Amino acid sequence: ETGVTQTPRHLVMGMTNKKSLKCEQHLGHNAMYWYKQSAKKPLELMFVYNFKEQTENNSVPSRFSPECPNSSHLFLHLHTLQPEDSALYLCASSRGTITSYEQYFGPGTRLTVT
Amino acid sequence: DQQVKQNSPSLSVQEGRISILNCDYTNSMFDYFLWYKKYPAEGPTFLISISSIKDKNEDGRFTVFLNKSAKHLSLHIVPSQPGDSAVYFCAASGTSGAGSYQLTFGKGTKLSVIP
Repeated sequence: ETGVTQTPRHLVMGMTNKKSLKCEQHLGHNAMYWYKQSAKKPLELMFVYNFKEQTENNSVPSRFSPECPNSSHLFLHLHTLQPEDSALYLCASSRGTITSYEQYFGPGTRLTVT
Repeated sequence: DQQVKQNSPSLSVQEGRISILNCDYTNSMFDYFLWYKKYPAEGPTFLISISSIKDKNEDGRFTVFLNKSAKHLSLHIVPSQPGDSAVYFCAASGTSGAGSYQLTFGKGTKLSVIP
């Protein structure tokens, strides 16, 4: 398998549930990212990991908890979400965090919180 | 306040003609700009980029123009093909300072190329 994969592709969860989103990159990259895309809004960067270390947390609520066990895998653990958290969650990776390194995106997980 | 603006949510162009997608930015610290293309049910894919030291970058049918004084960039697609129908995102970043690698995206413009 090549590129950046995300599972599941679709997820419906209640506000009291706990679920996790998974991202895997097969590109040998060192940096991984979580983005959120809400309806009619631009992509918003949530978290950045570089060499498994979190380097950015863009004021994301604690009900979103990222985990990066190695440079190839990234998780987003979700608990007690709100309906406004319904969005497309995109994972991306790049060789490093220098801007000129293009980011490769996964297909996203469409999350609906009921 | 949006730092990267794509004011046209949609654009329709005849096949073979030129598509021009526009993007404006407000942050004068931005010095690297990218265009991404997104098909439904797929993640965005990188298309072309430009550094602020240039005013034009060309890659096949795609050309990006940067006007720093106007804080404006545009993507030209010539000739447009039906397969170019997608949502195009403009993104910008600074290349120095903390968090400089962070991309700030516009809302996107949906391009429809009519056969």
